[in-house]
Amino acid sequence: SAVISQKPSRDICQRGTSLTIQCQVDSQVTMMFWYRQQPGQSLTLIATANQGSEATYESGFVIDKFPISRPNLTFSTLTVSNMSPEDSSIYLCSSKGIYNEQFFGPGTRLTVL
Amino acid sequence: RKEVEQDPGPFNVPEGATVAFNCTYSNSASQSFFWYRQDCRKEPKLLMSVYSSGNEDGRFTAQLNRASQYISLLIRDSKLSDSATYLCVVHNAGKSTFGDGTTLTVKP
Repeated sequence: SAVISQKPSRDICQRGTSLTIQCQVDSQVTMMFWYRQQPGQSLTLIATANQGSEATYESGFVIDKFPISRPNLTFSTLTVSNMSPEDSSIYLCSSKGIYNEQFFGPGTRLTVL
Repeated sequence: RKEVEQDPGPFNVPEGATVAFNCTYSNSASQSFFWYRQDCRKEPKLLMSVYSSGNEDGRFTAQLNRASQYISLLIRDSKLSDSATYLCVVHNAGKSTFGDGTTLTVKP
């Protein structure tokens, strides 16, 4: 199984600012995923990040709001831009195993004031 | 209709009880199925994959019924440490869809 780290683990931000979350995997993976989990709810996929190509965004999420970088096979970043209180959530990155199982980072807990 | 539906619970059971969680999915082309466990304020962690023939891992048994598009998780001899939210996950075409989770509380 992959070991995934994220930073920051939590942050409190002012509305209108941006935050970049970093995700590091301990092995090379083709696909990385970014999810959002709001309090008391399940995970919602934001986008899939493939190395060497543009990220693929799910319905309701756009690149201008959530730009993603994937510079190599072990690293990705997600930026939450022009934040509002509605962006307060836990943001999780993950990678996929050979049997389609997913391994998650510990999450970034974001609070926007 | 949601792609993956679970009974939200909560399930409150005494130690030693047997508890079963159900999950239905809408896409008949779904390829892989999993149960994850998520503890409070932690990330989801893979509990077990679900195979067509059914599979068991200690006190946990997972079943898949493709005809009915139904997945189940059975926990026998519940422990206090089993208290968590259990997420049903269905994978298709490179994408995993998570259920909303079923919350289990095991009480002494």
